[in-house]
Amino acid sequence: EAGVTQSPTHLIKTRGQQATLRCSPISGHTSVYWYQQALGLGLQFLLWYDEGEERNRGNFPPRFSGRQFPNYSSELNVNALELEDSALYLCASSFFGGATDTQYFGPGTRLTVL
Amino acid sequence: QKEVEQNSGPLSVPEGAIASLNCTYSDRGSQSFFWYRQYSGKSPELIMSIYSNGDKEDGRFTAQLNKASQYVSLLIRDSQPSDSATYLCAVPNTGGFKTIFGAGTRLFVKA
Repeated sequence: EAGVTQSPTHLIKTRGQQATLRCSPISGHTSVYWYQQALGLGLQFLLWYDEGEERNRGNFPPRFSGRQFPNYSSELNVNALELEDSALYLCASSFFGGATDTQYFGPGTRLTVL
Repeated sequence: QKEVEQNSGPLSVPEGAIASLNCTYSDRGSQSFFWYRQYSGKSPELIMSIYSNGDKEDGRFTAQLNKASQYVSLLIRDSQPSDSATYLCAVPNTGGFKTIFGAGTRLFVKA
């Protein structure tokens, strides 16, 4: 069974640009979660999508947004990039909706903002 | 008080010893608890989940949960150098709308 996949692996942008990150969940999983892990810091919850709807978002500005497609894949968009957005962005999926279910992580996208 | 608190370490143990990793949480309504292992530059991988008070064993790993004390721990028996990683405690909040991760404990197992 294929795991969670993310693309691209690495992404380099400059300040003010927009970044788009993609995630495909494990087959059969309907929930997708996005996390930010800045260097030396813990995982910070960004967004949760389930059945195409945004169910919850963390304490991030509105320039962090996303969506979930009918096939349950998801996209994270970061507008007006700032230097402090440089981080590893992790996507996770779960079978049932809700954080009480086990989340399986993808390999991550490392975003560098210059 | 942080929502999920772990000692950042590093925790250094000799090969073959027991490594004990601790985690406390503040949300009394939390019902499920997860331990993840994260190697440097990699994504977290699930080691254990625990839902009931007491111990849960899986191979060399034992998770312990005490909801009254709001405490969850992970024991690694017969520690190996390959166990050297950061261990993350993850606790969904009441209602399961988001998972709070601890900052992680760095473990070094010396050969």
